[in-house]
Order: sequence, then C-alpha cells, then structure tokens
Amino acid sequence: EADIYQTPRYLVIGTGKKITLECSQTMGHDKMYWYQQDPGMELHLIHYSYGVNSTEKGDLSSESTVSRIRTEHFPLTLESARPSHTSQYLCASSDWQGDTSYEQYFGPGTRLTVT
Amino acid sequence: SQQGEEDPQALSIQEGENATMNCSYKTSINNLQWYRQNSGRGLVHLILIRSNEREKHSGRLRVTLDTSKKSSSLLITASRAADTASYFCAMMSGTYKYIFGTGTRLKVLA
Repeated sequence: EADIYQTPRYLVIGTGKKITLECSQTMGHDKMYWYQQDPGMELHLIHYSYGVNSTEKGDLSSESTVSRIRTEHFPLTLESARPSHTSQYLCASSDWQGDTSYEQYFGPGTRLTVT
Repeated sequence: SQQGEEDPQALSIQEGENATMNCSYKTSINNLQWYRQNSGRGLVHLILIRSNEREKHSGRLRVTLDTSKKSSSLLITASRAADTASYFCAMMSGTYKYIFGTGTRLKVLA
C-alpha cells in the first residue's frame, strides 16, 4: 500500500475561489509529480519537483502553482478556479538511484468540480 | 497523445481468456512501465521493463519491449473479473518525467 495521501478527495467550489490541493508522502521520495486526468483519459503532467525548493512545469499548460518546502509535502494551488479546471488531480512520488528510475506511487486523487 | 498511444482503446473479454494491449511511443526511452487504474482511483504500478530487456514476467503478466519498433505489449493471462480496469503504459526518457499513454479500458466479463 502506497504511503501517499491527497486531500480533499472531492471538492466542489465556485468560480474565482482560491484552492489548495494537498499531497503528502511518508516514503522520503525526492521526486513528486502532479497530473491532471479527465475521466477515462490519459494523464497529463502539470508540475514536478526534483526535491526541496525545486519545481518545474510539466507538459500541460496550467494556471496552477506548486511549492516544495518539505520533502514530504507538495501542495498545488489554483489562485482563481474556473470551470475549465474541473478534472481529477493525481499526485505521485518516486525514488531514483543514479540513472535508474523506479515506479511511481500514486495518491487516490482529488476530484475537483468548479461551478 | 504527444508520446504514447495505446490500442485497443477498449477491450471486452470473458473470464479466463487472455488480454493483450499494446503501447507505441515516439522517442528513445530508458524504461517503460505499465500501470493499472481502477475507476476513479489512483494508478498502481504493475511492471517495469528496461530498454535493454526484451521480455519480463510477473505472475499472470507478461511484458515485451521492442525498441526498434518503439512498442511494448502487456499480456494478462487467465483474466479475472477483478482485472477490469484501465491500463496505462508510461515511458521515461532521460529526464525525471514520465509520459503516459492514452490507456486501454479492459472489461472482464464473469
């Protein structure tokens, strides 16, 4: 069982509100990721982090921001939610050694609906 | 998808039959991984195959990789109703990023 947690699991919020999606992992992984996934569709990388104080934008343009102040915590913030942000947001982490990558561990996801 | 295409998009089989799904990609890779996603949940890692490997087994799973054709396949033998899920391939190619395929939705009928 993966030790990676996301809160809230479900969120319905009005347009223009600021929201933060929480993600925490207890495995000590350096690498953390945020993906956006519409139902039944592929995952799109929106942000990732190599470690503390490092964040990078992913392949999908996003109006969200992230921070990585502690190894275990990687929150995602939307300053002003819009209906187009309605989606499922998945957090993941992984461990690397040298040039070898290992599996990603995923949280259960946050299903966001913006009305 | 920018990097990974999977086929079929959906597959429906009877319990006990084998299920095969395919993944094609566009760039060179370090490794390719397969994940399963139950409806509305996070993904669970199934198996990883490195670029210098051609075949790998794990229980009822068999993965092949053909780097010359830039393709991989996942075979699930003797499928069960509990195998019903979406299956995604994920490619890692020299950075810390994983690029996911479009997914195959598998339905196993009891």
